[in-house]
Amino acid sequence: GAVVSQHPSWVICKSGTSVKIECRSLDFQATTMFWYRQFPKQSLMLMATSNEGSKATYEQGVEKDKFLINHASLTLSTLTVTSAHPEDSSFYICSARVRGGSTDTQYFGPGTRLTVL
Amino acid sequence: GDSVTQMEGPVTLSEEAFLTINCTYTATGYPSLFWYVQYPGEGLQLLLKATKADDKGSNKGFEATYRKETTSFHLEKGSVQVSDSAVYFCALSGGSQGNLIFGKGTKLSVKP
Repeated sequence: GAVVSQHPSWVICKSGTSVKIECRSLDFQATTMFWYRQFPKQSLMLMATSNEGSKATYEQGVEKDKFLINHASLTLSTLTVTSAHPEDSSFYICSARVRGGSTDTQYFGPGTRLTVL
Repeated sequence: GDSVTQMEGPVTLSEEAFLTINCTYTATGYPSLFWYVQYPGEGLQLLLKATKADDKGSNKGFEATYRKETTSFHLEKGSVQVSDSAVYFCALSGGSQGNLIFGKGTKLSVKP
């Protein structure tokens, strides 16, 4: 089946630094990728929608200058957390959307655990 | 807006017990409904889905029926195994961007 990878799987960084998270669709192309954030014991909350070749669409309350998204190709989207602070510590999950005919399916990456000290 | 409510966990069962995880939703239109499973250390995997009212999704012994009249999509399994221990998420396809809207997840622990 379709596989989505994320790298790194976990990262610890100092406050004020930037962290880049990669999301790759390994054996298929995805024009749309979604970035979600999951707090402990909470649901996945959509942060932004990443469309290949265009600017990302951010959900209300998500700072686009803090969470930079680049979808440079049909198999790669990146999320950069700029000037990270402890409150940005969370579990970040991406998904890749595949649409065709009557099919509309999302495949999820394994997530990236970010801890900001 | 659209939303999903699922029973809070954790749920602890003995092996071979019957499982029900309740899920109800609020939505405009006619969304597709999903159950995803997240095993420890892994990403979300699609367990089953239903695209219209009265559809039954099934996979690996799990079942859920799309009930429009009760706006529910309860997950059931007749006999759970230790390997079913995971977090289960109910979701609907109601997002304005085509994204999924998730419930909070229910952690299931199955004891031998």
